[in-house]
Amino acid sequence: AQSVAQPEDQVNVAEGNPLTVKCTYSVSGNPYLFWYVQYPNRGLQFLLKYITGDNLVKGSYGFEAEFNKSQTSFHLKKPSALVSDSALYFCAVRDMGGYQKVTFGTGTKLQVIP
Amino acid sequence: DAMVIQNPRYQVTQFGKPVTLSCSQTLNHNVMYWYQQKSSQAPKLLFHYYDKDFNNEADTPDNFQSRRPNTSFCFLDIRSPGLGDAAMYLCATSRADSSYTFGSGTRLTVV
Repeated sequence: AQSVAQPEDQVNVAEGNPLTVKCTYSVSGNPYLFWYVQYPNRGLQFLLKYITGDNLVKGSYGFEAEFNKSQTSFHLKKPSALVSDSALYFCAVRDMGGYQKVTFGTGTKLQVIP
Repeated sequence: DAMVIQNPRYQVTQFGKPVTLSCSQTLNHNVMYWYQQKSSQAPKLLFHYYDKDFNNEADTPDNFQSRRPNTSFCFLDIRSPGLGDAAMYLCATSRADSSYTFGSGTRLTVV
């Protein structure tokens, strides 16, 4: 069975500071990994994904994520946080083998303080 | 732009009165999903269609049904909404090996 853990319910960061939102995963095979962002009363928006290749993945709005196989982590990062980045962030995983449903983490609320 | 469209954005229904939520896509994705999301929790998968094949999650109540008349459209029917069914309902699409594209969601209120 596959699973995703987002250990922090909320992350607070000052505007202009770097931000990290943590995610660890568990799959039986090789993972597809995703980050989605959700603004209030909206659907989830795709930020970035890792399938194969470079461990550092760049995505939308200046976000990036680093795939670490040995630590089974896929932390979301941004060098300089904006107030407009405040939202709910979901990490997701699926097993690369064949068709598998995506499993979402419980979400991390990011609050960027002006 | 290719996208996933959910109608309506906000739906108010009476306790026990059947309600249908709709989702359409222009992406020509073969998989369509319905998720229920409560209070900023993780989205909970209710069911999905892989082409015409319907796949129900084991813990999805019988009160929830779905129809996919063609590739582009998928409907969520709630036969007898209860207060506990008030939530955001999210439709998503994907190809078998790609990321999901979500609609903006329908917020359901049960009165």
